[in-house]
Parts: sequence; C-alpha cells; structure tokens
Amino acid sequence: KQEVTQIPAALSVPEGENLVLNCSFTDSAIYNLQWFRQDPGKGLTSLLLIQSSQREQTSGRLNASLDKSSGRSTLYIAASQPGDSATYLCAASSNTGKLIFGQGTTLQVKP
Amino acid sequence: GAVVSQHPSWVICKSGTSVKIECRSLDFQATTMFWYRQFPKQSLMLMATSNEGSKATYEQGVEKDKFLINHASLTLSTLTVTSAHPEDSSFYICSADTVSRTGVNNEQFFGPGTRLTVL
Repeated sequence: KQEVTQIPAALSVPEGENLVLNCSFTDSAIYNLQWFRQDPGKGLTSLLLIQSSQREQTSGRLNASLDKSSGRSTLYIAASQPGDSATYLCAASSNTGKLIFGQGTTLQVKP
Repeated sequence: GAVVSQHPSWVICKSGTSVKIECRSLDFQATTMFWYRQFPKQSLMLMATSNEGSKATYEQGVEKDKFLINHASLTLSTLTVTSAHPEDSSFYICSADTVSRTGVNNEQFFGPGTRLTVL
C-alpha cells in the first residue's frame, strides 16, 4: 500500500529565501508525482506534474525533482514571497489514476 | 487550463437531510472523476472513483449507500450525501482526469471544494 510522507509539517522563512519541501513515498511503482498548492478553505491548484520517466519539472520559481529509486521528490521554491504562503501537497499516482496524498507542508513566508 | 467547478461552494443542512454536490469539467471531457474528503488540518482522502456510464468504485471504509455517486455525462459527476449527520461535516473536493485532453496521463485538476456543515 502506497504511503506518502511530507517533511516538515510546517515551515516559516523570511521573504527572499530559497527553500526545499520534501516528499517521500514507499512504493516506487508510481505513474507520476504531482505537487499542489492549497490556500486555506480552498481547493487545490496543480503546480507541477512529473511523469515516472522524468526527473524534474520547472515552472517559474518552482522546480520539482523525482527520484523513484529512493522514493523521494522535492519541491524547490526560489526567492520566496509572502504570496507563496500556503499548504503544499504532494501526491503519488498509480496507473489507475488514484492519487495518494501526503499530509502537506504549511509554508509561511514572512515579509 | 483545465477548469473544474463545484456547486454549491458551501452548504449548511439539518441532520437527516440529503445534500447533492455537483462537479463539472467546464472545458474538457472527463471520463474519470474522483471524490475526496478533507477534514480540518488533514490531507485529502480519496472516497471514490467515478467513471462515466458505470458504477463508482469506493475506497475501503466508505459507505456506498451513504455517499451516492452518479457520473451521467462526460462533464458532470454528482455526490449525494444521504441522511447527513454532523460527522459528515467536511470539505468535499472533486477532481477530473485530463488524460483525454492534455495528452499527459493521469493529470488531475481539482474543483474549488464544497464545505458541508451538518447541524
């Protein structure tokens, strides 16, 4: 059974700092790995999707990496801004399309 | 991008009533939609997988007679919480699989969620 873990659970950084969010999964037979952002009381916004054959994806200040052999993915946020404050969720997908979510990392970027 | 809507965005109801939540893919067809539940300060838990024209597949521990799912068209899935009780109060989120539109297998786009409060 796939289990997804995110560390840390919460993170507070000053504005402008680069930061890394970690995600680990127990079953390396994933179809893809997806990173999402969730603002309080809102739905999910898809940030990046890495297919199992890929090692990383980039979008603006965000870079996500995937290492299936070690069961790890990281989300790198460069030059953080207060608007980046949110909960970040990673989810591993099986070939049936089911997503298994981590517990999330709540990020606070202080001005 | 792929847009998924949910209606209503929030609902308050009395215990024992039934509540229907709609999930629509606005600019694409979704053969598969998923329903999740999220309790405060917790992550999303998959409730069921909904395929157009067939019965939904429920996750272990989810009562199919309580959470009725209908996926009548390629753009609409509904979740009905029957005889709702306070413990059913939660944030319900749907997602749609965009494999047929973007060419990227199994990328899911999520609706904005529905906050259900049962008094």
